[in-house]
Amino acid sequence: GQNIDQPTEMTATEGAIVQINCTYQTSGFNGLFWYQQHAGEAPTFLSYNVLDGLEEKGRFSSFLSRSKGYSYLLLKELQMKDSASYLCAPRSSNTGKLIFGQGTTLQVKP
Amino acid sequence: DADVTQTPRNRITKTGKRIMLECSQTKGHDRMYWYRQDPGLGLRLIYYSFDVKDINKGEISDGYSVSRQAQAKFSLSLESAIPNQTALYFCATSDTHTSQPQHFGDGTRLSIL
Repeated sequence: GQNIDQPTEMTATEGAIVQINCTYQTSGFNGLFWYQQHAGEAPTFLSYNVLDGLEEKGRFSSFLSRSKGYSYLLLKELQMKDSASYLCAPRSSNTGKLIFGQGTTLQVKP
Repeated sequence: DADVTQTPRNRITKTGKRIMLECSQTKGHDRMYWYRQDPGLGLRLIYYSFDVKDINKGEISDGYSVSRQAQAKFSLSLESAIPNQTALYFCATSDTHTSQPQHFGDGTRLSIL
């Protein structure tokens, strides 16, 4: 079957580092996307991994281990505006479709 | 101007009414998608289209239909709306290359009374 598992909620302090984990099972695998979604707004693309390892983009990094079915999103130097939901979305190579997890709601506190 | 435009942004209607949600894009993408989002359930795929003459059902297509009128336009219809179709609906587009992300419209908040 296909399944995505992310923590529902996380809280962190402004200026800190937070890691949001995602484990997944898909029918075939062809890349994994992370999206940010502020409440009531559209999801926006953050990062993409298709090979094992770390992809860094400014304050955001994403890691992938295909053999473990595991990814994480790392947010550094947290800002209040980073309070949002973060969606893990692997792509099934069998169907070509993205499978979205329910998302992790991150609250950044002063 | 937004690359992916959804209309209307908000709609309140009654049970049994026919509703059409429209999506247009200026990104030149071949692939278009309709999702609904409910609290605690994440984004669920309703229908998708990889080309003008291509329509495919997603995981929750019952009660919905779509039309891909042109490369740039993909509309979603609820033939006879029911209250459990109250949700936030998103249209998305993507390029054919699998490494390219989907780009989302701003969403349509639909309430069915």
